[in-house]
Amino acid sequence: EAGVTQFPSHSVIEKGQTVTLRCDPISGHDNLYWYRRVMGKEIKFLLHFVKESKQDESGMPNNRFLAERTGGTYSTLKVQPAELEDSGVYFCASSHTFTEAFFGQGTRLTVV
Amino acid sequence: RKEVEQDPGPFNVPEGATVAFNCTYSNSASQSFFWYRQDCRKEPKLLMSVYSSGNEDGRFTAQLNRASQYISLLIRDSKLSDSATYLCVVNMVAFGNEKLTFGTGTRLTIIP
Repeated sequence: EAGVTQFPSHSVIEKGQTVTLRCDPISGHDNLYWYRRVMGKEIKFLLHFVKESKQDESGMPNNRFLAERTGGTYSTLKVQPAELEDSGVYFCASSHTFTEAFFGQGTRLTVV
Repeated sequence: RKEVEQDPGPFNVPEGATVAFNCTYSNSASQSFFWYRQDCRKEPKLLMSVYSSGNEDGRFTAQLNRASQYISLLIRDSKLSDSATYLCVVNMVAFGNEKLTFGTGTRLTIIP
């Protein structure tokens, strides 16, 4: 069974540019989470989808971040325009209800 | 107060020793509890779920105390390969929505 996959694995962009991260959850998992780990800090929650609906987006830093989950399958996280402080590792995870989450390998975003 | 609190360490422990981590959580309505392990520059991976009755997996023992709202992880006969960051993860329920919340992680280094 395929795990959670994220693309790209690395992205280096200039400040002001746009980047779109993609996450393909495990098939059948209704819950999809986005998290971010900034250098030296803890993993922080960004948002949570249940199927195609945004259940909780309280962790989204600001309106430069936009997440979608088309048809309840894969999800994208777009940052536009990117700022230096957006650098970090963005993790996606999926799960069934109230069970453990499985993580993708993460996308390392560097904004220069 | 943070929703999930852990001692960030670092813990530097000689090989063969026993080490214990604790984690406290603030939301008494939390449903599920997990310990994840994260190796350097890798995604978090489930180490074990934590049950009220306590559970053991080889050298690892996890316990949950709902009354005091804390979770523990005990590693016996530590190996060099146990060096990693250990993340306490709580599945919290708020307004009917579930959300996985992470502690800061406890960094463990096993010394030969």
